[in-house]
Amino acid sequence: QKEVEQDPGPLSVPEGAIVSLNCTYSNSAFQYFMWYRQYSRKGPELLMYTYSSGNKEDGRFTAQVDKSSKYISLFIRDSQPSDSATYLCAMRRNGGSNYKLTFGKGTLLTVNP
Amino acid sequence: NAGVMQNPRHLVRRRGQEARLRCSPMKGHSHVYWYRQLPEEGLKFMVYLQKENIIDESGMPKERFSAEFPKEGPSILRIQQVVRGDSAAYFCASSPSLSGRAVDSEQFFGPGTRLTVL
Repeated sequence: QKEVEQDPGPLSVPEGAIVSLNCTYSNSAFQYFMWYRQYSRKGPELLMYTYSSGNKEDGRFTAQVDKSSKYISLFIRDSQPSDSATYLCAMRRNGGSNYKLTFGKGTLLTVNP
Repeated sequence: NAGVMQNPRHLVRRRGQEARLRCSPMKGHSHVYWYRQLPEEGLKFMVYLQKENIIDESGMPKERFSAEFPKEGPSILRIQQVVRGDSAAYFCASSPSLSGRAVDSEQFFGPGTRLTVL
């Protein structure tokens, strides 16, 4: 079983839709949870990060972490064509080798105008 | 403040040649990380370096791969005698510190070097 599982999609939605992206993980040592956005042929860009369980909201984006279920989500409201990208979940431990990010495979999202 | 710089952006090598990938971290950042993204795979950690020190190379293949971050100049990821399986995107990231606060340890990624081995 991989440490982080993420459905690669692709996911195609109309403009204005609510998008839900998800990852599951198996390592209970993960404490920090991140979502990166990667446009085609570019490097990943940090979008959201959360520590431990809970919700975090930033504009149209909401990140949720449920440590009891080992499940994290990213919601995008009022999706725009400019949101079309690959979304990568990533996580890391607290302490020890906490610099090491473990990524999901990424979900390719297309928002159609 | 310029971001993480990587060059070249694209590199084509024939089997058996050497590939040298360069990474200049963001200004003020002293921690450098290399990740590899194989086709249809997520990014995988390779190595973590500070100036003149390799801190963790647990993700590096045991042979042909090496990395350095000299006192002066960029970090270099070197792949000797490349094979087709080395074809991938190689990303460098940098961070300012490794405090307990996630925001201090945020890793900023460069645009990557896409290596193609013919």
